[in-house]
Amino acid sequence: GIQVEQSPPDLILQEGANSTLRCNFSDSVNNLQWFHQNPWGQLINLFYIPSGTKQNGRLSATTVATERYSLLYISSSQTTDSGVYFCAVVNYGQNFVFGPGTRLSVLP
Amino acid sequence: NAGVTQTPKFRVLKTGQSMTLLCAQDMNHEYMYWYRQDPGMGLRLIHYSVGEGTTAKGEVPDGYNVSRLKKQNFLLGLESAAPSQTSVYFCASTESPGLADTQYFGPGTRLTVL
Repeated sequence: GIQVEQSPPDLILQEGANSTLRCNFSDSVNNLQWFHQNPWGQLINLFYIPSGTKQNGRLSATTVATERYSLLYISSSQTTDSGVYFCAVVNYGQNFVFGPGTRLSVLP
Repeated sequence: NAGVTQTPKFRVLKTGQSMTLLCAQDMNHEYMYWYRQDPGMGLRLIHYSVGEGTTAKGEVPDGYNVSRLKKQNFLLGLESAAPSQTSVYFCASTESPGLADTQYFGPGTRLTVL
């Protein structure tokens, strides 16, 4: 099946810093989503982005489908951005496959 | 509109006991999923359903059974719990994984098997 990798596994930032999270996948996809799991365990969808670029406030995402990767940008990070960021893909099937996540800690 | 709800939120079982986790969604979604998340890891798919009356195995189905008798409900059963099933269980639903539709997640059920 399709493999999903994320990097870095852990990231520590000072409040106000910018960061880039990466998701690599091993096959073509027709659905790619980024999720944020907050420190209380809740999973929230950030972007649906199988290709192209989207922006939502301080967050933006870019997927280059032909090169099989996606990037999540966080600008001017805040402590509330802390948590785990997951990339999940659908390989033209019925299931989402999740990456292992990037754990982000934003320090005040 | 409650979205996706899960019952119970917490549970402690002894080895060999059985239990059922209930997932309910009020968005009329066709697809429903059960995942488990172990400490420091991502989500692994246990079972899923593509519509009322259907179920299918995911990545880690052993030791679990599921049923989707009604479109809005997806039940996950553990017939004989084992310590290896200690985990946080998430239910999710979506209209279609192939469309521009997100998965909506429930709040999770934290299960401990002693």
